[in-house]
Amino acid sequence: DVKVTQSSRYLVKRTGEKVFLECVQDMDHENMFWYRQDPGLGLRLIYFSYDVKMKEKGDIPEGYSVSREKKERFSLILESASTNQTSMYLCASSFPGSGRLYEQYFGPGTRLTVT
Amino acid sequence: QKEVEQNSGPLSVPEGAIASLNCTYSDRGSQSFFWYRQYSGKSPELIMFIYSNGDKEDGRFTAQLNKASQYVSLLIRDSQPSDSATYLCAVRYGQNFVFGPGTRLSVLP
Repeated sequence: DVKVTQSSRYLVKRTGEKVFLECVQDMDHENMFWYRQDPGLGLRLIYFSYDVKMKEKGDIPEGYSVSREKKERFSLILESASTNQTSMYLCASSFPGSGRLYEQYFGPGTRLTVT
Repeated sequence: QKEVEQNSGPLSVPEGAIASLNCTYSDRGSQSFFWYRQYSGKSPELIMFIYSNGDKEDGRFTAQLNKASQYVSLLIRDSQPSDSATYLCAVRYGQNFVFGPGTRLSVLP
């Protein structure tokens, strides 16, 4: 059974703080993703990673960075949190390869509030 | 910019009826198509995937794909109140996925 875990379900931080969101998967997936989800805007891709130490920007990378030092762990970093980063953050992982299958599995999400 | 569009809803159907959810996508190079269900406050969970034209059935769920029209749909037969959720359509492009905004379904007892 695929398991994707995230370090916190709820997090409250102050403006300007550096915030770390951790994601761990136990299925040996090469690909890992960070999304944020906001009402009316759906899921938006922040960053993704195809392999250890590899990262690619998604649609909304500004204000974020990522780290992938080990295959199973993908961290999202908010360098200086702002109120417009208040959101639900979802981590996902999948096997690589183009084509037919290889769906994404999601973690439970972290609801971040920046005050 | 690759786009995936869905009606945001809410779509309300009576218990036992068929719920029909629709999704269109912009890029003909799309390879795989997924339907996720997301309950309020929870993360998305995969319920169906489809990659070739036609229908795919799994229990009460049927996914339909028409690549020429760039159209994917999800039918839920014998809808139950427990099916009330937001349904996300996702399209895979290479290694990445683009999600639609989701359709909120409400099944009325």
